[in-house]
Amino acid sequence: SQQGEEDPQALSIQEGENATMNCSYKTSINNLQWYRQNSGRGLVHLILIRSNEREKHSGRLRVTLDTSKKSSSLLITASRAADTASYFCAAPRPDNQAGTALIFGKGTTLSVSS
Amino acid sequence: SAVISQKPSRDICQRGTSLTIQCQVDSQVTMMFWYRQQPGQSLTLIATANQGSEATYESGFVIDKFPISRPNLTFSTLTVSNMSPEDSSIYLCSVEKTSGGDTQYFGPGTRLTVL
Repeated sequence: SQQGEEDPQALSIQEGENATMNCSYKTSINNLQWYRQNSGRGLVHLILIRSNEREKHSGRLRVTLDTSKKSSSLLITASRAADTASYFCAAPRPDNQAGTALIFGKGTTLSVSS
Repeated sequence: SAVISQKPSRDICQRGTSLTIQCQVDSQVTMMFWYRQQPGQSLTLIATANQGSEATYESGFVIDKFPISRPNLTFSTLTVSNMSPEDSSIYLCSVEKTSGGDTQYFGPGTRLTVL
């Protein structure tokens, strides 16, 4: 079953603009992670935000978490062409049968043009 | 963090054959996982690789098709057996240093094409 669901599915912006991606999940979680994937390569870990955190920053990235709405957002400020990639949110399996295996959303494909 | 390598990075195989993918981590980790990413799709968990015991498979994945080994805390293999074109995917291993809410790191993936 799917835990994370991103929207939009695709986003096209100009360099310098901000990009916001949203993720909704279904069950209570103790953390949520965001990843980036360039052209079908491996996943790069961006940020982990815990359930007791509301906002977290890393460089040009800002992640928020609203546990009451079961949603998270990833904001990329002052985007660059190099930010072109697919972005995924991932949350732990709700049943913990496999430790902390992750359930991934479908992802948002971001295209930044110069 | 953890540095993860996978071999091979890509391969093109004939149907009916098998391919073994290796995952090596630069430090001991508690948890290792294998995921599959079919073309244009998100990641789906195949199994949790357990050190010294049989892997724990997700619904829809079976040991005969995807045998997994994990002989120690830094290494695991995934075999894709009796391949068909539907097995064409990117296969990724991931690790978590501790169990329970830690950052999960991914390898670079193995891009498999089955003809």
